Amino acid sequence: KAGVTQTPRYLIKTRGQQVTLSCSPISGHRSVSWYQQTPGQGLQFLFEYFSETQRNKGNFPGRFSGRQFSNSRSEMNVSTLELGDSALYLCASSFASGNNSPLHFGNGTRLTVT
Amino acid sequence: GEDVEQSLFLSVREGDSSVINCTYTDSSSTYLYWYKQEPGAGLQLLTYIFSNMDMKQDQRLTVLLNKKDKHLSLRIADTQTGDSAIYFCAESSGSSASKIIFGSGTRLSIRP
Repeated sequence: KAGVTQTPRYLIKTRGQQVTLSCSPISGHRSVSWYQQTPGQGLQFLFEYFSETQRNKGNFPGRFSGRQFSNSRSEMNVSTLELGDSALYLCASSFASGNNSPLHFGNGTRLTVT
Repeated sequence: GEDVEQSLFLSVREGDSSVINCTYTDSSSTYLYWYKQEPGAGLQLLTYIFSNMDMKQDQRLTVLLNKKDKHLSLRIADTQTGDSAIYFCAESSGSSASKIIFGSGTRLSIRP
């Protein structure tokens, strides 16, 4: 069974631009969550989608948004990029949104903002 | 609030057992996790334990949970060079099991 797939693996953008990251969950998984990993803040929860609906949101500004499609694939968008948005963005999928489904992570997209 | 703490570094000799410790604060956590991260890679789910369990064993891995003290440990038996990585302890948020609170990670290094 294929794991969580994130594309692209690496991105370099300029401050002020926007970026879209993609995540394909494990087949059959319907919940997708996004996390940001930085050396200073560690791993922080961005948001979770289930059945095309945002279920939970972390403490990030509105520049960070996401969506989920009917096939459970998800995209995350960051607008008006800032230097501090440079990070590893990790997507995780689980079978369901709730207490019985551990998260499985992809290898991440490393975003560098210059 | 919710918080997970773990020591930053651990060095063990190859072949010895490694024990990585973690404390958490959210008593309503349903699941507690151990993830492994190798350089340049994402997070690999190693094992997880349901909050009503005390122990879980999976090959070389043993997880112990002391719910009273909110203490979680991961023991890796017969530690090998391939076990070198950062290990993250994490708890599911009481409000949503899909929102995981991570510790800062323990970097495990193996001495020959």
